[in-house]
Amino acid sequence: QQPVQSPQAVILREGEDAVINCSSSKALYSVHWYRQKHGEAPVFLMILLKGGEQKGHEKISASFNEKKQQSSLYLTASQLSYSGTYFCGTEFNNNDMRFGAGTRLTVKP
Amino acid sequence: NAGVMQNPRHLVRRRGQEARLRCSPMKGHSHVYWYRQLPEEGLKFMVYLQKENIIDESGMPKERFSAEFPKEGPSILRIQQVVRGDSAAYFCASSREKGAYEQYFGPGTRLTVT
Repeated sequence: QQPVQSPQAVILREGEDAVINCSSSKALYSVHWYRQKHGEAPVFLMILLKGGEQKGHEKISASFNEKKQQSSLYLTASQLSYSGTYFCGTEFNNNDMRFGAGTRLTVKP
Repeated sequence: NAGVMQNPRHLVRRRGQEARLRCSPMKGHSHVYWYRQLPEEGLKFMVYLQKENIIDESGMPKERFSAEFPKEGPSILRIQQVVRGDSAAYFCASSREKGAYEQYFGPGTRLTVT
């Protein structure tokens, strides 16, 4: 039931863009995105409900394709502060959330 | 408005001892989740509780681990007879409602078993 994230790691230069994908083998009720910096707790970014909606948070946005059972997180014009590990969390039929293994993003000056 | 609180932040136990981890959810939140995170790995779901009820403990090891969320007081994750493999960061999260509501995470308890 754990969603699959790709890629596992990304290295960017400041100002570059990145896409992180999250896919599931089961029908999704909602997708959550979190960012965790080393040694800290995960911080909520956004939640997407089924229906194909998109959301934005500063220069970070996400989409949810219900038919494909996947979500993508888009980071544009990355900043140094974007570095961290990004986790997607998926809910099935309004049940408990399961997290992917994470995507480690490193933004270099 | 205080966030999710966990204590202790760091806990060292010898093999065979008991570990008690506490979590106070955000004000107004009655749903609590416990996750375990090994170094450089993802968050593994352990248990979901509401006040006085365990809703889903499918991620919890069958032996030595237990959780509770009493009517009064914090949620407690209890690990009996700890082993080295229990060393990890244990995060608690809370939400206002179940499903499609953001979970707010506490700072975690880092358990080290020597």
